[in-house]
Amino acid sequence: GQNIDQPTEMTATEGAIVQINCTYQTSGFNGLFWYQQHAGEAPTFLSYNVLDGLEEKGRFSSFLSRSKGYSYLLLKELQMKDSASYLCAVRDGDYKLSFGAGTTVTVRA
Amino acid sequence: ETGVTQTPRHLVMGMTNKKSLKCEQHLGHNAMYWYKQSAKKPLELMFVYNFKEQTENNSVPSRFSPECPNSSHLFLHLHTLQPEDSALYLCASSQDGGQGADTQYFGPGTRLTVL
Repeated sequence: GQNIDQPTEMTATEGAIVQINCTYQTSGFNGLFWYQQHAGEAPTFLSYNVLDGLEEKGRFSSFLSRSKGYSYLLLKELQMKDSASYLCAVRDGDYKLSFGAGTTVTVRA
Repeated sequence: ETGVTQTPRHLVMGMTNKKSLKCEQHLGHNAMYWYKQSAKKPLELMFVYNFKEQTENNSVPSRFSPECPNSSHLFLHLHTLQPEDSALYLCASSQDGGQGADTQYFGPGTRLTVL
């Protein structure tokens, strides 16, 4: 099976920066996704990385290192509305998508 | 994206009941998925349909029975469930069924409680 690890919880202050790490071991690799899920709501797509490097989208950035089996999601200028669960998902060699258990981020005033 | 809808949003059922979950996507996608999300656990893929054909059954017990009458609608029929089946059931859709950057878009889920 696939193995995708991310921290369970993180807490940060409004206006700060938080980095959520994701490590993976999969049979083949065809891309890594990050999703945001607010409590009681649908997961929503944030980013997709398939090549090494940093992808920036406004306050959110995602980084990938395929050789290290490692990604991170960087949230800058944190706002209260960023309190949510962040899911790391990897598409393996058979194009199946496997998810991590999610990281719950709490933003405090 | 709010193009994937699910009904009902909440469902409480006994172990002997039969119920169905419904999912509809308004995105013109060709693939649809059922996932199970339990607390503190990763999303578990249950079923995949591509162009109405089932392409994945991830060792799901037969008490869960999917149906995909067309590319826009997906059902999950439930019967004789167990309390451990209580979870959030998420539906998703995507354009191409998993190639390249094909992105899955999720519905809000049905919170199922089995008594």
